[in-house]
Amino acid sequence: AQSVAQPEDQVNVAEGNPLTVKCTYSVSGNPYLFWYVQYPNRGLQFLLKYITGDNLVKGSYGFEAEFNKSQTSFHLKKPSALVSDSALYFCAVRDRGSTLGRLYFGRGTQLTVWP
Amino acid sequence: NAGVTQTPKFRVLKTGQSMTLLCAQDMNHEYMYWYRQDPGMGLRLIHYSVGEGTTAKGEVPDGYNVSRLKKQNFLLGLESAAPSQTSVYFCASATPISTRGPDTQYFGPGTRLTVL
Repeated sequence: AQSVAQPEDQVNVAEGNPLTVKCTYSVSGNPYLFWYVQYPNRGLQFLLKYITGDNLVKGSYGFEAEFNKSQTSFHLKKPSALVSDSALYFCAVRDRGSTLGRLYFGRGTQLTVWP
Repeated sequence: NAGVTQTPKFRVLKTGQSMTLLCAQDMNHEYMYWYRQDPGMGLRLIHYSVGEGTTAKGEVPDGYNVSRLKKQNFLLGLESAAPSQTSVYFCASATPISTRGPDTQYFGPGTRLTVL
């Protein structure tokens, strides 16, 4: 069965410090992995995805994520956090073998960056 | 391009009432999805469609029906609303990558539904 775990409900970090939002996954085959961000009262916005190739994926707004197959993780990172990064972040996984493309989402991590 | 749009943005229903949520996309995407978002539970798939005229059940389909009569539109219906259907509903769409299935899903702004 496919599943995604985001072990931290909340992450708090000071502006200018590096941030990490954790994600681990379980799929029956090889994964496609995604990060989305949700600002208050808005829909989900796509940040980045891992399909194949380089394990370090760069995305929008200076975010990047590292795919680690042995640890089945796909942590989201940013070298220097901004107050405007405060939002709800979702990790999602899709089985590469599924042509239906169903995404399985984690429960979300609320990131707060304080000035 | 407007991307994915949803109508209405907010709605309050009484138990037993019916309503239809409309999702429209102007990106010529084949795949469309309806999700519900509840606090602490992430997004859960209600129904999806892999093309015009086709629909299928997702993870939590009970109490909902869908139709995809036109490629650009995906309708979600509640025949007899219940308080358990109070939620935020998101629509998403995606384009296929050859035979590998859909590419990245793009989401609408959501519909906040309250059932009293």
